[in-house]
Amino acid sequence: GAVVSQHPSRVICKSGTSVKIECRSLDFQATTMFWYRQFPKQSLMLMATSNEGSKATYEQGVEKDKFLINHASLTLSTLTVTSAHPEDSSFYICSAAPGQGNNGYTFGSGTRLTVV
Amino acid sequence: GENVEQHPSTLSVQEGDSAVIKCTYSDSASNYFPWYKQELGKGPQLIIDIRSNVGEKKDQRIAVTLNKTAKHFSLHITETQPEDSAVYFCAASITGSARQLTFGSGTQLTVLP
Repeated sequence: GAVVSQHPSRVICKSGTSVKIECRSLDFQATTMFWYRQFPKQSLMLMATSNEGSKATYEQGVEKDKFLINHASLTLSTLTVTSAHPEDSSFYICSAAPGQGNNGYTFGSGTRLTVV
Repeated sequence: GENVEQHPSTLSVQEGDSAVIKCTYSDSASNYFPWYKQELGKGPQLIIDIRSNVGEKKDQRIAVTLNKTAKHFSLHITETQPEDSAVYFCAASITGSARQLTFGSGTQLTVLP
């Protein structure tokens, strides 16, 4: 089945630094990938839709200058949390939909970001 | 946009009993309804899905039913085991457009040994 690889699984960084999270589709091409944020005991909140070769589409309330998304190839999307602050600490998850969603959506294993 | 409501938020059952989680959706155009299991610290894993042209689907101990008229769908787990303990999310989407999934709020299932 479709596999989405996400790295790193955990990262701790200092306030003010930037962190990059990678999301790769291993056995399919993904023109669209999705980035979610999840707080403890809550559901997944869509942050942005990553489009290969074009700008990402951000959900209302998500700062595009803080959460930089790059989707430079059909198998890789990256999320960079810039100038991280403790309130950015969260669980970030990416997903991709092979075949425009006709074959379901596959999620990465998530990245636990802790900003100290 | 789509709105998905999920109940209950928590569910405890004895090992061997059945568990049922229910979801309703608002957008009649939605045609794809997956269920995900999320263990602590991990990403969601698809356990079963159903499309709008089918009313029921079963995979061993797991089944999903869909009522398009009423716009609700349910997850049924039979003969529950402790390893079924996790958070379960329902979701809805429209296939063919790579639109994002809209998730329910999640159900923490605990199977008591």
